[in-house]
Amino acid sequence: AQSVTQLDSQVPVFEEAPVELRCNYSSSVSVYLFWYVQYPNQGLQLLLKYLSGSTLVESINGFEAEFNKSQTSFHLRKPSVHISDTAEYFCAISPVDFGNEKLTFGTGTRLTIIP
Amino acid sequence: NAGVTQTPKFRVLKTGQSMTLLCAQDMNHEYMYWYRQDPGMGLRLIHYSVGEGTTAKGEVPDGYNVSRLKKQNFLLGLESAAPSQTSVYFCASSYLQGAQGNTQYFGPGTRLTVL
Repeated sequence: AQSVTQLDSQVPVFEEAPVELRCNYSSSVSVYLFWYVQYPNQGLQLLLKYLSGSTLVESINGFEAEFNKSQTSFHLRKPSVHISDTAEYFCAISPVDFGNEKLTFGTGTRLTIIP
Repeated sequence: NAGVTQTPKFRVLKTGQSMTLLCAQDMNHEYMYWYRQDPGMGLRLIHYSVGEGTTAKGEVPDGYNVSRLKKQNFLLGLESAAPSQTSVYFCASSYLQGAQGNTQYFGPGTRLTVL
């Protein structure tokens, strides 16, 4: 069985301040890791993903996440947030095994940027 | 490329009514998924399909049926709607597992209210 835990359901942050959204997972097999973002009244969009290689992955809009296998974590960070980052962020995992292509999502973290 | 589209965007049903949600993708993806999103619960997988003519149960399949008669379409049916099925429904699609991992592409969602 797999599970994803996002401990913070809501994170308020002042504009231009740094932010970290936490994600921990549990799995008996190797996994791929994803962060998806959902802007108000929209569907989910892929923000970044870790498949293999460098444990630090980056998105085009300044977010980064680091895969830490020993701590089973994939925290999302941004050094300086903007109003446009207001959204809900979902961490997800998927087994590496071929034939088991399902995502397990966390419950989401709502990021609110305070002007 | 329209990506993943969903019809309708909004719907209000009375208890006991039936309806079908349509998902279409133009990316030639093998895999398609139906999720429901409820506050504080993240996304939960209802049913999924690994190819034309195939379907499988996800985490919360009760009260729903699906069909995948064409590769590009995935239908979600509610035979007798209940208030507990009030939710936002998302469709997603993905390639076969491989270099992409299980990167899923989401539609804009259908907001369903059952009175």
